[in-house]
Amino acid sequence: DIQMTQSPSTLSASVGDRVTITCRASQSISSWLAWYQQKPGKAPKLLVYKASTLQSGVPSRFSGSGSETEFTLSISTLQPDDFAVYYCQQYSDYPWTFGLGTKVETK
Amino acid sequence: QVRLVQSGAEAKKPGSSVKVSCKASGGSFNSYSISWVRQAPGQGLDWLGHIIPAFGIRNYAQKFQGRVTITTDDSTGTAFMELSSLRTEDTAVYYCATCRGPEVCLDVWGQGTTVFVSS
Repeated sequence: DIQMTQSPSTLSASVGDRVTITCRASQSISSWLAWYQQKPGKAPKLLVYKASTLQSGVPSRFSGSGSETEFTLSISTLQPDDFAVYYCQQYSDYPWTFGLGTKVETK
Repeated sequence: QVRLVQSGAEAKKPGSSVKVSCKASGGSFNSYSISWVRQAPGQGLDWLGHIIPAFGIRNYAQKFQGRVTITTDDSTGTAFMELSSLRTEDTAVYYCATCRGPEVCLDVWGQGTTVFVSS
């Protein structure tokens, strides 16, 4: 199985900060990577697919980049609504696998 | 955009089976594939498998192979996930989610179904 390693596991930040989350794949996944945001008691929400394509309706302060084994999700200016857990997921090879998540919390 | 509505919470005994449904609003998924993902309490996301209805293809995660079955009923626009030989560690929220196309995953999620396994 392809292992997805996210860092950091927890990120303390303030409104207005620029935030970057990293996701590393244990082998090349080309650009078959998605990013999700999850809030407590809710289903995950797709933010980015194909590594860098913003899902319709997602604010432009979110952006994804990377390919092969190294990927990042950035939030240019953190907003109050952005405090949540973020997951990366590869869909290059079966089984599809997720990172363990990065919790963005208030500093 | 399609909306996915899942069946209600289930309480099961170890060794039994559970079947969770996922119905597409409008009666049709209009999606490339339908996946099932679970989340144990306080844990991350775990993909169980998916079905690609147009090709009749199913892929299951090896760790669930033999215990999970994903099906669809095209006449009602409903997908099902059945998990057998339940263990207490299968206690989780189970989500259905779709891929709009082979590149756009997982774009729409159901609200989740809690399955509680206890003796």
